[in-house]
Amino acid sequence: AQTVTQSQPEMSVQEAETVTLSCTYDTSESDYYLFWYKQPPSRQMILVIRQEAYKQQNATENRFSVNFQKAAKSFSLKISDSQLGDAAMYFCAYYNAGGTSYGKLTFGQGTILTVHP
Amino acid sequence: DVKVTQSSRYLVKRTGEKVFLECVQDMDHENMFWYRQDPGLGLRLIYFSYDVKMKEKGDIPEGYSVSREKKERFSLILESASTNQTSMYLCASSLFSSGGVEQYFGPGTRLTVT
Repeated sequence: AQTVTQSQPEMSVQEAETVTLSCTYDTSESDYYLFWYKQPPSRQMILVIRQEAYKQQNATENRFSVNFQKAAKSFSLKISDSQLGDAAMYFCAYYNAGGTSYGKLTFGQGTILTVHP
Repeated sequence: DVKVTQSSRYLVKRTGEKVFLECVQDMDHENMFWYRQDPGLGLRLIYFSYDVKMKEKGDIPEGYSVSREKKERFSLILESASTNQTSMYLCASSLFSSGGVEQYFGPGTRLTVT
């Protein structure tokens, strides 16, 4: 079974600074996707960024980028120029694209990010 | 925009009550999911459905059942609520495809069982 581990229960960053959230996963599959989801205090979870395992290039979305290390099974999220609105719970998630997964995701434990003004 | 709505934001029920949590999505998604979210445990999948009247157990189905009579609606049922089912419940939907999957979440229901 696949597992996703976020070893940082809480992180903090100063506004305008850069922060990196860690995620490791365990799988024997070769065709998969990895995601970072953001859950602000209002609770609606939204997708931040997605990485396809077969792509070498790290995904980026504006101030958000990932460091995808496939051999190490590591998938960290870097937030540059942090803003107060980035404060949220962040979840790392895994999707097995092979077989009949029906879109099921496996989530990590989450990391609470605090942004200080 | 995809919209996923849940029937209640906050719910307080007594031990032994039958509880219904409802979820509706408006984008004709095939797949729908129910998770519970607890501190330090992340999101854990309770049940999911890949089509009308079709359902599959997730990782923690004990004490729960589900119903999907219409494509847009997926209900989570607690047959006899217990205090250990006090939690945040999140509903999500997604398209069934071999790749590019993205789950869209509802706002969540904070259920307290006393």
